[in-house]
Amino acid sequence: QLQLQESGPGLVKPSETLSLTCTVSGGSISSSSYYWGWIRQPPGKGLEWIGSIYYSGSTYYNPSLKSRVTISVDTSKNQFSLKLSSVTAADTAVYYCAGNIAAAGAFDIWGQGTMVTVSS
Amino acid sequence: QSALTQPASVSGSPGQSITISCTGTSSDVGSYNLVSWYQQHPGKAPKLMIYEGSKRPSGVSNRFSGSKSGNTASLTISGLQAEDEADYYCCSYAGSSTSRVVFGGGTKLTVL
Repeated sequence: QLQLQESGPGLVKPSETLSLTCTVSGGSISSSSYYWGWIRQPPGKGLEWIGSIYYSGSTYYNPSLKSRVTISVDTSKNQFSLKLSSVTAADTAVYYCAGNIAAAGAFDIWGQGTMVTVSS
Repeated sequence: QSALTQPASVSGSPGQSITISCTGTSSDVGSYNLVSWYQQHPGKAPKLMIYEGSKRPSGVSNRFSGSKSGNTASLTISGLQAEDEADYYCCSYAGSSTSRVVFGGGTKLTVL
């Protein structure tokens, strides 16, 4: 059974780059039928899709974040990562990694989430 | 402002049925049968409840059902139980030329 776990700094300074990693366990990240994504949730607010990456390496990003986001996969470590540059307080949120395994068009597995605060 | 519009809150008594609407556009909900619904309890990660508009993942109660008409998708919960009290989010595929994935603003379900 696939499981996801986010890791990374809980505190990032304004204007710096937020970097998070999602480790996939219980299976291979490289299956051609899977895709992976990052979703965030500011305190007290709703879910916001950040972006997704497919087995082919194709990436798709939320247009509102596209200029600052990079999502990549490291198959040797069974991990995928998020980098968000030039962060501000508005980027403070719980960040979730998620995967599409068996449910078309949906994220059917999720990590537990990690809180990232942007503050000096 | 969220791309998909949901009511901020709904409520119902145990045993009753409620429906949460999710209104999008012809570019997302109306064009693709790829609407999903997520349940989120406080402090927890979202859980997939419905995908492809009306399909339930293994393990999800058949009290949860989904449907779509035009640009509006709906989630119905029948036989309300106390543990159904949570936030619910709809989500839709929006095409590769745009945002691709859009969420609703979320609906707080209160079981009275």
